[in-house]
Amino acid sequence: QVQLVQSGAEVKKPGASVKVSCKASGYTFTSYGISWVRQAPGQGLEWMGWISAYNGNTNYAQKLQGRVTMTTDTSTSTAYMELRSLRSDDTAVYYCASSYSGSYDYFDYWGQGTLVTVSS
Amino acid sequence: EIVMTQSPATLSVSPGERATLSCRASQSVSSNLAWYQQKPGQAPRLLIYGASTRATGIPARFSGSGSGTEFTLTISSLQSEDFAVYYCQQYNNWPLFGGGTKVEIK
Repeated sequence: QVQLVQSGAEVKKPGASVKVSCKASGYTFTSYGISWVRQAPGQGLEWMGWISAYNGNTNYAQKLQGRVTMTTDTSTSTAYMELRSLRSDDTAVYYCASSYSGSYDYFDYWGQGTLVTVSS
Repeated sequence: EIVMTQSPATLSVSPGERATLSCRASQSVSSNLAWYQQKPGQAPRLLIYGASTRATGIPARFSGSGSGTEFTLTISSLQSEDFAVYYCQQYNNWPLFGGGTKVEIK
């Protein structure tokens, strides 16, 4: 069965960077894209961006342009999301999610989430 | 810029009753609309895509309808496991979620 398994919780200071991983199994990794979605405590869902596992093409949410980088390692079927210059309002649970058709798509499988806490 | 608005914010329903959740887009998203269920401490779960197609393994009591700017998720007879927060998401453009509707026990 399809599984997306994310790395563990992180605590970072303001201004630092965080890199979250998402290891896929149960399907051909390069057939899907991976989006990253975050959820601040008690808040709704915010799409951060998408990466094609096939060719590495990316689309990032405008508000995060310049601070976020998404990559993949096809040899290990793992996607990564790095967020730089962290602020307190970046505190959130970060999810990876698979999508078949591209950056304009729904998300059929989700990782378990990674809590990133930004605090001095 | 598209805005997705869900109503009501909270819906109080008794088990066995019908629940109707609404999602409105500020401009047409065609049928590029998905619904998710999220329980506390869990990742969202895809229920509906293409406005009305149930995802794999989703019970038939969940149904979606609508196109353009007005969409509805109906849960025909609420079970105890259906009390959760529900989000709509448009994918006609950059993915964008609505603010959510919490379905709580009346």
